[in-house]
Amino acid sequence: GQQVMQIPQYQHVQEGEDFTTYCNSSTTLSNIQWYKQRPGGHPVFLIQLVKSGEVKKQKRLTFQFGEAKKNSSLHITATQTTDVGTYFCAGKSGNTPLVFGKGTRLSVIA
Amino acid sequence: DTGVSQDPRHKITKRGQNVTFRCDPISEHNRLYWYRQTLGQGPEFLTYFQNEAQLEKSRLLSDRFSAERPKGSFSTLEIQRTEQGDSAMYLCASSSYSLDGYTFGSGTRLTVV
Repeated sequence: GQQVMQIPQYQHVQEGEDFTTYCNSSTTLSNIQWYKQRPGGHPVFLIQLVKSGEVKKQKRLTFQFGEAKKNSSLHITATQTTDVGTYFCAGKSGNTPLVFGKGTRLSVIA
Repeated sequence: DTGVSQDPRHKITKRGQNVTFRCDPISEHNRLYWYRQTLGQGPEFLTYFQNEAQLEKSRLLSDRFSAERPKGSFSTLEIQRTEQGDSAMYLCASSSYSLDGYTFGSGTRLTVV
């Protein structure tokens, strides 16, 4: 079945440094979504990418969807302590429910 | 509407007991999903409903698990004869259309002792 892989599993950065997490799917996706889960919290929807090569920005966050619609990335510029949490990508193929990756846990050292 | 509600927030049960969790989705959402999350892992899909119809079940969902969504509103997830391996956070989510982002509830943390 469909698998979604994320790297790295953990990332520790100094506040102000940049951060990137990468997501790869074993199958071509119809869309990819990104979620953030704070420690002790539940996943919160950030964004959805649908088109091949799509790039979307939310303030310091930049999301990309690969040309082949099998990979994606999330880049955070100048991290802040409020960025701490686990970032999940989740992909859909057709009408199937979302398949989540294992996430990248971001720690930000002030 | 305050979002997706799940009840209870925490449940401790003895091995072999049955447990039932409830999820109240956002009222306008016709799709409802159940996921399970263990420590350090991403949410794993269990099952989902469109209105009252259960459209897909993961092979993770053994015959001890059953889910219902009567009248297409709230949903219940029951686990019979619980095992220690069932200990996890059970997350419910809803969406209004197959391409929308999911809104998750705060989850029910199950501990089987």
